Amino acid sequence: GDSVTQKQGQVTLSEDDFLFINCTYSTTTYPTLFWYVQYPGQGPQLLLKVTTANNKGISRGFEATYDKGTTSFHLQKASVQESDSAVYFCALPGTQVVGQLTFGRGTRLQVYA
Amino acid sequence: EAGVTQSPRYAVLQEGQAVSFWCDPISGHDTLYWYQQPRDQGPQLLVYFRDEAVIDNSQLPSDRFSAVRPKGTNSTLKIQSAKQGDTATYLCASSFGTGDTQYFGPGTRLLVL
Repeated sequence: GDSVTQKQGQVTLSEDDFLFINCTYSTTTYPTLFWYVQYPGQGPQLLLKVTTANNKGISRGFEATYDKGTTSFHLQKASVQESDSAVYFCALPGTQVVGQLTFGRGTRLQVYA
Repeated sequence: EAGVTQSPRYAVLQEGQAVSFWCDPISGHDTLYWYQQPRDQGPQLLVYFRDEAVIDNSQLPSDRFSAVRPKGTNSTLKIQSAKQGDTATYLCASSFGTGDTQYFGPGTRLLVL
């Protein structure tokens, strides 16, 4: 079935450091891929989405590139801020249950000033 | 535009007690989702509706969980006899059609003692 893997459970950085969060996926189709961000006490909110048509998504300084060859959808940001501290989820639409979003386990980002 | 609202925000129960969660989606969104998010994990779909119809409830523990959306707007998720394993955050999300961006509410944090 469809699956999303985020290997990093936690990433700790200092302000202005480069951010890289790994995400790989397994699916039989080429769906739209999503990154959601969840701040404490809130529900996940869409950070960016990428389709096969545009291959790259950019939002609020974050970017992710759809790589069908390596089935990856890594999230990057050149210079993080303390306000970026949150949990980041990679997600893809399900094929067995249409309408479902399959989420990775999440990567907790902690940025220190 | 108001976002997805949920109530209550927190609930604490003893095992065997019942609890209901309420969700008001974004106005005009025909599709409504209920997710369960255990601590330190990604959200997992329980059930979703298009208008008042259940589209998929294959991951809803039907012996104790039920969900309704009688007029195709607000929705209620109920746990009849809660177990400690039900401890999680319950998230409601809505979208315009399936496959489109899902917008999440703040969630209800449930603790079953």
